[in-house]
Amino acid sequence: SYVLTQPPSVSVAPGQTARITCGGNNTGSKTVHWYQQKPGQAPVLVVYDDSDRPSGIPERLSGSNSGNTATLTISRVEAGDEAEYFCQVWDRSSDHPVFGGGTRLTVL
Amino acid sequence: QVQLQESGPGLVKPSETLSLTCTVSGGSIRSFYWSWIRQPPGKGLECIGYIYHSGSTNYNPSLKSRVSISVDTSKNQFSLKLYSVTAADTAVYYCARLLPIVGTTTHFDYWGQGTLVTVSS
Repeated sequence: SYVLTQPPSVSVAPGQTARITCGGNNTGSKTVHWYQQKPGQAPVLVVYDDSDRPSGIPERLSGSNSGNTATLTISRVEAGDEAEYFCQVWDRSSDHPVFGGGTRLTVL
Repeated sequence: QVQLQESGPGLVKPSETLSLTCTVSGGSIRSFYWSWIRQPPGKGLECIGYIYHSGSTNYNPSLKSRVSISVDTSKNQFSLKLYSVTAADTAVYYCARLLPIVGTTTHFDYWGQGTLVTVSS
């Protein structure tokens, strides 16, 4: 089955740029979605279809996908961005979602 | 604004059946897929399965033998039953809306707040 690999943690100072990666076999041929989950809360969709943002999600969050890696980029990081981030693709062979293991973003 | 709310017991005994219901408000349950996703404490997300408003289902192969998802369109609700539970089924259970597949992909756009279900005697 398809596997998505994320780094367990990423740390960044306020105002800097955080990059959270999501690796898989030829991820660029799939469409990647990203969710933000703050402690004790449900996941929230922040990027879909590789790089689109739902309404209400700031432009500081952006996505890209090429080769074997998709990336969620958070510019001008704020304390409120501290959360777990999960990537997700759809596995057409099973018609089931595949989630990455999640990355904890810490704002220093 | 679509809202989802899980309900059901927070404690289930080993070998018994976990039963949860998700009530959808702010929109019709028709024309979308509706899913159950769980997250064991400190771990990642696992999709248990999903159901279309017509009743067709797709279950995670690893849980298929123990899972049943049903829908009640008259009440705008869908439900999960997980049979013969063990401590490994302890998790926060979320219900979520799954958009129709477009091309080769889809994603979850609305989630419930989640409910913790503990399996313990």
